[in-house]
Amino acid sequence: DQQVKQNSPSLSVQEGRISILNCDYTNSMFDYFLWYKKYPAEGPTFLISISSIKDKNEDGRFTVFLNKSAKHLSLHIVPSQPGDSAVYFCAALLLVANAGNNRKLIWGLGTSLAVNP
Amino acid sequence: DGGITQSPKYLFRKEGQNVTLSCEQNLNHDAMYWYRQDPGQGLRLIYYSQIVNDFQKGDIAEGYSVSREKKESFPLTVTSAQKNPTAFYLCASSTHRVGGYTFGSGTRLTVV
Repeated sequence: DQQVKQNSPSLSVQEGRISILNCDYTNSMFDYFLWYKKYPAEGPTFLISISSIKDKNEDGRFTVFLNKSAKHLSLHIVPSQPGDSAVYFCAALLLVANAGNNRKLIWGLGTSLAVNP
Repeated sequence: DGGITQSPKYLFRKEGQNVTLSCEQNLNHDAMYWYRQDPGQGLRLIYYSQIVNDFQKGDIAEGYSVSREKKESFPLTVTSAQKNPTAFYLCASSTHRVGGYTFGSGTRLTVV
């Protein structure tokens, strides 16, 4: 059962416009939510995160919004640039009960973003 | 520069052979992870290790084995028991800081 869901496998936007990537989750115990960006044949790189007690976090062109009642978060990229074209993974951090302070990342399936010049 | 090194980038093996994927980090991270990525499947956790000489099974551990004899190294062996070994394998290490995961560049394993 997928605890973190990215229902859109792909998204295409024009350069300069807003990209909105969505993510839904089922487990209300997640502590943090993270977005990672991945280029082909490379490992994911961390983009931005949000604590479960916040509803917004902004870092430059990237803003993540969290709606806890809807168990939904979204990543906004404004303005979108061709270099943003990549697969974006939503991930949630879950405290592992029998592992001290260690946390387990639960991943969504990713959304492939194409920003067209 | 600190980072994670996975080698080789591409690996071909015959069906029925065991193969070991290398993962080395010089970030002084305690925790290390192995993920597998298949098309349309996202990232699935194979094994993770929080400390030297200790490791735990992830969600899809069957057909894989690991060791953690040194803090810097977390090799993954894909055994002949793994039914569908062809995939892209990612190694990661982490601090306890949020977003503190660092990924390697991956190894694409093809079994023929």
